[in-house]
Parts: sequence; structure tokens; C-alpha cells
Amino acid sequence: GAVVSQHPSWVICKSGTSVKIECRSLDFQATTMFWYRQFPKQSLMLMATSNEGSKATYEQGVEKDKFLINHASLTLSTLTVTSAHPEDSSFYICSAFTSGGTETQYFGPGTRLLVL
Amino acid sequence: AQSVAQPEDQVNVAEGNPLTVKCTYSVSGNPYLFWYVQYPNRGLQFLLKYITGDNLVKGSYGFEAEFNKSQTSFHLKKPSALVSDSALYFCAVRDPSGGSYIPTFGRGTSLIVHP
Repeated sequence: GAVVSQHPSWVICKSGTSVKIECRSLDFQATTMFWYRQFPKQSLMLMATSNEGSKATYEQGVEKDKFLINHASLTLSTLTVTSAHPEDSSFYICSAFTSGGTETQYFGPGTRLLVL
Repeated sequence: AQSVAQPEDQVNVAEGNPLTVKCTYSVSGNPYLFWYVQYPNRGLQFLLKYITGDNLVKGSYGFEAEFNKSQTSFHLKKPSALVSDSALYFCAVRDPSGGSYIPTFGRGTSLIVHP
């Protein structure tokens, strides 16, 4: 199956700093990438949908100025958590979707963010 | 609108016994249905999907699921459970007639297989 990578897998940062998470589709071109947030023992919460070359579409309640998403190419999307606070600590997962007819999302391994 | 329900938070089964993880859905048109598995501190891994065709879909690691339109269900099954199958399982649905390519995920079911 298709492979999606995320980097870093773990990050610990001080409150007030910004953290960038990269999501790459390694063996296919992703026209669309999704960013999710997952709290312990809970389901995925869709944060935003990004299409290559255009602005991300954010879900209701997600601060677009705090969670900056860039989808600069068909294989790379980045999520930047700006001025992180302890309540931003979570597990962030990206997924990639191709319009090639597979109708399947492929997920990255996730990034664990801990803000001190 | 599209929605999906996983009625069980947790399923316990003994190793070697058959397992079932339940999923029901609601869509306006014909659904696209998916199952994913998540191991601790990992992303989701694709198991199988139903788009069209045979109602019984076979997927990775010996899992299968049956699309039942009359019961609006897509239960995940495996004939003989392994301890290594213990994980969090997510069902997802997408209604292609709804104009959105974003699937809706269930809340997840924790499967625990006892030795």
C-alpha cells in the first residue's frame, strides 16, 4: 500500500514556541491531505483539509492562525502549531488522499506533541 | 449527511475464537465503507474497504467485512483471533453522492484478545 511519513514522531517544546510537523506521501502524489488530532482513547478529530496549491479548509472550532497548514507540493504538507501551549499537547496524524480512484486515505504514523 | 456508529467501546475475545467488531452507518446514497486499525502511538493502517461489488470484502491480516445494505452494517470479522490483533479499530463511511470526499470516522472499538 501507499506510504505516508511524518516527521518528527515525537516533539517536546516549551510553551510559546512554534512546532512544525511534516507529512509526506512517499510513493504517490496526494492531491489532498488531511490533518487530524487525537486525544487519548478517543476518535480522530479532523482539523483541516488541504489541497495542493490552495488554502486549507479548516473545520469549525479550529483556529487557522494557530494551526498553520501549507500544502506546497503534491507530496508534502506541513502543520505548524504556533505559540504552542500545554493544551495543544496531543497526537497529530496526517493522511493523504489521491484522486486516482482508490478512494482510500493513507495515514502517517502520527506525531506526539508535548508542550511544557 | 453521513454518519457511522461503533456501538461497542471494547470487545474482548479469547485467542483462537472468532471476533466481530460492529459498525453501522447512515448515508443518503450508496456508501463507501472502510476499516482501519491503530496500534498504540501509531497512525491508522488501512485494513479493507467496500466500494462496490461483492458484499464480502477480504482485507489484510485475515480480516474480512460484510456489507449489509438492509441492516446498514459493515461488521469486521476474523475467524480466529490472535493476541497481536489487540488494537483500536475504526470504521469510516463516505457518501460519494454527498459531494464530499471526507469520510466520517466512528469513535473506535478497542479489541482485546486474551491468550
